[in-house]
Amino acid sequence: KAGVTQTPRYLIKTRGQQVTLSCSPISGHRSVSWYQQTPGQGLQFLFEYFSETQRNKGNFPGRFSGRQFSNSRSEMNVSTLELGDSALYLCASSLSTGGSSGNTIYFGEGSWLTVV
Amino acid sequence: DQQVKQNSPSLSVQEGRISILNCDYTNSMFDYFLWYKKYPAEGPTFLISISSIKDKNEDGRFTVFLNKSAKHLSLHIVPSQPGDSAVYFCAASEQGGQNFVFGPGTRLSVLP
Repeated sequence: KAGVTQTPRYLIKTRGQQVTLSCSPISGHRSVSWYQQTPGQGLQFLFEYFSETQRNKGNFPGRFSGRQFSNSRSEMNVSTLELGDSALYLCASSLSTGGSSGNTIYFGEGSWLTVV
Repeated sequence: DQQVKQNSPSLSVQEGRISILNCDYTNSMFDYFLWYKKYPAEGPTFLISISSIKDKNEDGRFTVFLNKSAKHLSLHIVPSQPGDSAVYFCAASEQGGQNFVFGPGTRLSVLP
């Protein structure tokens, strides 16, 4: 079974531009979440989508947004890029969300974004 | 205010011996915990999970122990292998949520 696929793997953008990152979850997984990893802040939760609805949102400015499509694929967008947005953006998928038991999330390889 | 802490930034262990990685949390609502291994330039790889209804979970060379009263969990790797050298993250969530809180990671070096 294919894992979580993220595109592009590497990209360089200029301050003020916007970027869209794409994520295809593991087949059958309906929940997709996004995380940002930076050397200073570690792994931080951005948002989570399930059935095309945002279920949770982390403490990030409104420049960070996302969406999920009916096939569970997800995209995240960052507008008006800042130097501090340079990071590894990780997508993770799981079978479901909520409920009384935990749901393990499986990560993709990530998209490395450099803002210059 | 770190809700999940991994107080040892690094750990070195001899090949064949036991590696013990520790994690502490402050939020008593956390009820599901995960451990990941991460190599540079790769996404985190899931290792093992534990629910708060258990105090131990084992999978091959990996065992996770949970002490709810102390808000502490540990990952044991036995025997340690050079390929285990990586950064290890613990993560916690509550009520089935996907908004996991990650610790800062511990870099494990297994020496041949």
